[in-house]
Amino acid sequence: EIVMTQSPATLSVSPGERATLSCRASQSVGSNLAWYQQKPGQAPRLLIYGAFTRATGIPARFSGSGSGTEFTLTISSLQSEDFAVYYCQQYNNWPPLTFGGGTKVEIK
Amino acid sequence: EVQLVESGGGLVQPGRSLRLSCTGSGFTFGDYAMSWCRQAPGKGLEWIGFIRSRLYGGTTEYAASVKGRFTISRDDSTSIAYLQMNSLKTEDTAVYFCTRNWGPPYYFDYWGQGTLVTVSS
Repeated sequence: EIVMTQSPATLSVSPGERATLSCRASQSVGSNLAWYQQKPGQAPRLLIYGAFTRATGIPARFSGSGSGTEFTLTISSLQSEDFAVYYCQQYNNWPPLTFGGGTKVEIK
Repeated sequence: EVQLVESGGGLVQPGRSLRLSCTGSGFTFGDYAMSWCRQAPGKGLEWIGFIRSRLYGGTTEYAASVKGRFTISRDDSTSIAYLQMNSLKTEDTAVYFCTRNWGPPYYFDYWGQGTLVTVSS
């Protein structure tokens, strides 16, 4: 099983600032990495797939990078609606499909 | 517009069974694999299983935590995916999400709103 580790667990950022979230895989997943956003009481929403491709309707301030075992989600200028929990998920080796533990982006 | 709507959640005693349904609309249901994921209260996301599309044999895969207890099936004629949960444990308490899979390989491009299953005596 591929273990996904996200850091930090909580990120405190002021509106308008940049946020950088990390995701590490226990073994290479190539570019088969997705990012999701989840707001309280809501279902997750796909942000990024293929490590760097934005899903339909996702603003350009969200960008993904990395390959192999190290990945980054960057939010270039945080808006109020971006404060949420973010999860990475690998889909290279399965079953199981595995998620990271999440990073909560909170208002500083 | 793609929509996924789960139903069937509720309170159930340990050891009992429950069946969840996921009704899809706005897309050709039979063309896609469908997954179930869950989220225990205050915890992260856990994939629990998927069923492939008919093109890929309609076969299933499960996480170790539910294998042998949970069964996923589908009825493409009515655009419904099912999650049959047997021998429920208190640790199965969670919000259960239905997702549409893109692939293979599989990520989750659309999610339902979730249905809460509480396992308690």
